[in-house]
Amino acid sequence: AQSVTQPDIHITVSEGASLELRCNYSYGATPYLFWYVQSPGQGLQLLLKYFSGDTLVQGIKGFEAEFKRSQSSFNLRKPSVHWSDAAEYFCAVGATGNNNDMRFGAGTRLTVKP
Amino acid sequence: EAGVAQSPRYKIIEKRQSVAFWCNPISGHATLYWYQQILGQGPKLLIQFQNNGVVDDSQLPKDRFSAERLKGVDSTLKIQPAKLEDSAVYLCASSLPTGVGSPLHFGNGTRLTVT
Repeated sequence: AQSVTQPDIHITVSEGASLELRCNYSYGATPYLFWYVQSPGQGLQLLLKYFSGDTLVQGIKGFEAEFKRSQSSFNLRKPSVHWSDAAEYFCAVGATGNNNDMRFGAGTRLTVKP
Repeated sequence: EAGVAQSPRYKIIEKRQSVAFWCNPISGHATLYWYQQILGQGPKLLIQFQNNGVVDDSQLPKDRFSAERLKGVDSTLKIQPAKLEDSAVYLCASSLPTGVGSPLHFGNGTRLTVT
């Protein structure tokens, strides 16, 4: 069965600095990969997804992620972080692209320093 | 468009009591999901409905949890009796049924504390 690991529980970056959140997945075939963001007291919102094709995926709010099959990774990046980006970020992996087989990582909490 | 509505926002109960959560999905979304999010973990799918039929309930603890979506719109998730380990945020989500990877739209969740 597919699974995902987010190695960093908590990351702090300064406003305006670049950001990279790590995500490693385990799945024997080409996975479906997602990044969701959860602001405090809110539900999750889809940032971007990878199904096939170009391995660099653009998402909302200026985020992008790159699928690297050789490293089993799907890291999320943003060139310049804004204070409003402070939130919890979840990577998720699926085998079929259907939502019922999607497995979420434990999340990375992002703090943004002024 | 109006988002996914959930109520209540917070609930505190004692163990062995029962509790129910309500969800109203985005209009037109035939697929509805209930997730459990324990502190420090990612959401875990409990049950998925397509209209009023269950698509997947393989991770639902059926001895104490139940869910229904009688008219294919609103849904209710019930826990009876509650245990301490049920303390979590219960998230409802909905999506369009068409196509692979149809985005999930989440509600703000119900935070349950069992004492």
